Amino acid sequence: DTAVSQTPKYLVTQMGNDKSIKCEQNLGHDTMYWYKQDSKKFLKIMFSYNNKELIINETVPNRFSPKSPDKAHLNLHINSLELGDSAVYFCASSPMSSSSYEQYFGPGTRLTVT
Amino acid sequence: AQTVTQSQPEMSVQEAETVTLSCTYDTSESNYYLFWYKQPPSRQMILVIRQEAYKQQNATENRFSVNFQKAAKSFSLKISDSQLGDTAMYFCALDTKAAGNKLTFGGGTRVLVKP
Repeated sequence: DTAVSQTPKYLVTQMGNDKSIKCEQNLGHDTMYWYKQDSKKFLKIMFSYNNKELIINETVPNRFSPKSPDKAHLNLHINSLELGDSAVYFCASSPMSSSSYEQYFGPGTRLTVT
Repeated sequence: AQTVTQSQPEMSVQEAETVTLSCTYDTSESNYYLFWYKQPPSRQMILVIRQEAYKQQNATENRFSVNFQKAAKSFSLKISDSQLGDTAMYFCALDTKAAGNKLTFGGGTRVLVKP
């Protein structure tokens, strides 16, 4: 009965590769997010989708492309991976795109680029 | 732009004692929400407490309470009767409608509860 799940939990890959991280929520929420937590634990929003539509796109390299096939899923595809992409990536969801709603986080995906 | 600052990188507290974590923020919005999230070693992000800016009453959740000072843009978290399971990183976060419901996080405070 996991609320927000991410696969894989750990991902080790080499520079230049392309990889995807998948996120699924079974809460019936309309809005989903991707956050990046760097090695110093700093968390920053990358993207958010509301009902499959992109609503937030922070200053993120265009090597990162989110895709939402339906409102329960938000995947993150990363092309031409670089060392600086090593981080923990969190998916989150909330009932609506509104400040009054709590965001529920997935367990995170630790990406290591070598 | 909105910012969140946590000035204490690390704090330690004895089990059963009280610890207070500081957070200051900046926003030009009048309506916003503030949160404290806990991240234990498992790295799962867990909501601890939430405060609506238009509510004057400080939020409380069991052993966790906040001191919300809107004029000073301060939002501190008090953990009472600290338990070993409280050992974690704690993040203060701000959410405004103008920012499109994205959480802006502070840099975090690492709390170590000692037996």
